[in-house]
Amino acid sequence: EVQLMQSGAEVKKPGESLRISCKGSGYSFTSYWISWVRQMPGKGLEWMGTIDPSDSYTNYSPSFQGHVTISADKSISTAYLQWSSLKASDTAMYYCARHDSSGWFDPWGQGTLVAVSS
Amino acid sequence: DIQMTQSPSSLSASVGDGVTITCRASQNINNYLNWYQQKPGKAPKLLIFAASSLQSGVPSRFSGGGSGTDFTLTISSLQPEDFANYYCQESYTTPWTFGQGTKVEIK
Repeated sequence: EVQLMQSGAEVKKPGESLRISCKGSGYSFTSYWISWVRQMPGKGLEWMGTIDPSDSYTNYSPSFQGHVTISADKSISTAYLQWSSLKASDTAMYYCARHDSSGWFDPWGQGTLVAVSS
Repeated sequence: DIQMTQSPSSLSASVGDGVTITCRASQNINNYLNWYQQKPGKAPKLLIFAASSLQSGVPSRFSGGGSGTDFTLTISSLQPEDFANYYCQESYTTPWTFGQGTKVEIK
């Protein structure tokens, strides 16, 4: 079974750094891209960016470029989303999702809730 | 960026009803349109890809149509488990964008 397993919920303070993870299993991790999608409380879905784990090539949405970093370690089939300095406005659920060049997302990880508050 | 506009934002329907949700793109996206279902507290689930292809395991009461700028998601006979939020997403060009969502509620 193809699965993406995300790391657990995080509670952080503004200015702190954070890295969350997404581990793929049941398929060849380097054969598909991994995207990250944000969902703020009570809101819709926003595509943040994607990474090709085979060569770590990334493509960011302009809305998120410079605010987050997407990376991957193909040796352990894991993709990451990280922040160097969190803001309260980063409070959201973050999902990872697998896709190929066709751009539809399947499957999705279960989500990681990030709460940022002083 | 391509803007995706869904309508309606919400609808109320009864079990057994047929419903249609519309998604309009701000430019021609050919058939690069996907539909997702999201239930409260859960991750989205792919229903339809490439405008009209049913994802494996998704019930046949779900269907998608359209091309160019106008697309539809139709549920032929609503079941209790179909009450959820539905999102369209264009995969024509990055940054990929989603519609704002349609909440399907029980009447």
